[in-house]
Amino acid sequence: GEQVEQRPPHLSVREGDSAVIICTYTDPNSYYFFWYKQEPGAGLQLLMKVFSSTEINEGQGFTVLLNKKDKQLSLNLTAAHPGDSAVYFCAVRFNNYAQGLTFGLGTRVSVFP
Amino acid sequence: NAGVIQTPRHKVTGKGQEATLWCEPISGHSAVFWYRQTIVQGLEFLTYFRNQAPIDDSGMPKERFSAQMPNQSHSTLKIQSTQPQDSAVYLCASSLDGGGGDPQYFGPGTRLLVL
Repeated sequence: GEQVEQRPPHLSVREGDSAVIICTYTDPNSYYFFWYKQEPGAGLQLLMKVFSSTEINEGQGFTVLLNKKDKQLSLNLTAAHPGDSAVYFCAVRFNNYAQGLTFGLGTRVSVFP
Repeated sequence: NAGVIQTPRHKVTGKGQEATLWCEPISGHSAVFWYRQTIVQGLEFLTYFRNQAPIDDSGMPKERFSAQMPNQSHSTLKIQSTQPQDSAVYLCASSLDGGGGDPQYFGPGTRLLVL
C-alpha cells in the first residue's frame, strides 16, 4: 500500500523566518494531497487540499508545492509566527471512494522569538 | 456548525473491559472515517462508512474492534476486551460525500487509556 515519508520530525524556527516540510509518497496513483495542522489536545485542522493537476497552491502564510515527477509534496511556512507552532501532517489519497487517508508521521514545529 | 463531535473526550478502562466511542459527523456529511493515533504508529486509517454503509474496513484489527453507523447522525467504534496496546487517541472525521478529493474534517478525538 501507499507509504508517506515526512521530514523533518522536528523543526525549530525563529519568528519571521521560513520553514519547509517535505513529504515523499510511493504510489504514483496518489491523486489528492492534504496538509493538516494539529495543536495540542485538538483534532486535525485542514490547511489545504492539493490536486495532482496543480503544482503550486498558496494559503494564508504558507505555500504548498507538488512535484509529481519526484513524488514530493512540500509545505513552506513563510514568515513564521507563534501561532504556527503545532504538528503538521501531510496526507495522500487515491482518486476513488475506497480507503482513507495515508498520513506522514508529522513534523513538530516550534516558533521561537 | 459545531463540527465533528466525539464523546467521551477521555476514557479510562481496565484491561478486558469494553469501550464504546461515539462520533457525530457534521450535519449533511455522508461519509464517516475512523483513525487511530499513537506516538509510535502515527495516524492509521481504521474504517469508513458512506451513506451509513461500510465501505472499507481494511485498517480495523480483525479481532475485538467493530464499528457501526446506525443512522446518519452518529457512528460508534467498539473495542471489546480492551488491551493496553489499544491505548491511543481515536479520531473521527466526516466528509461531504467520501470521494478521494473530498476534504475530511476531524473531531477532537477520544483519548483511550487502558490500564
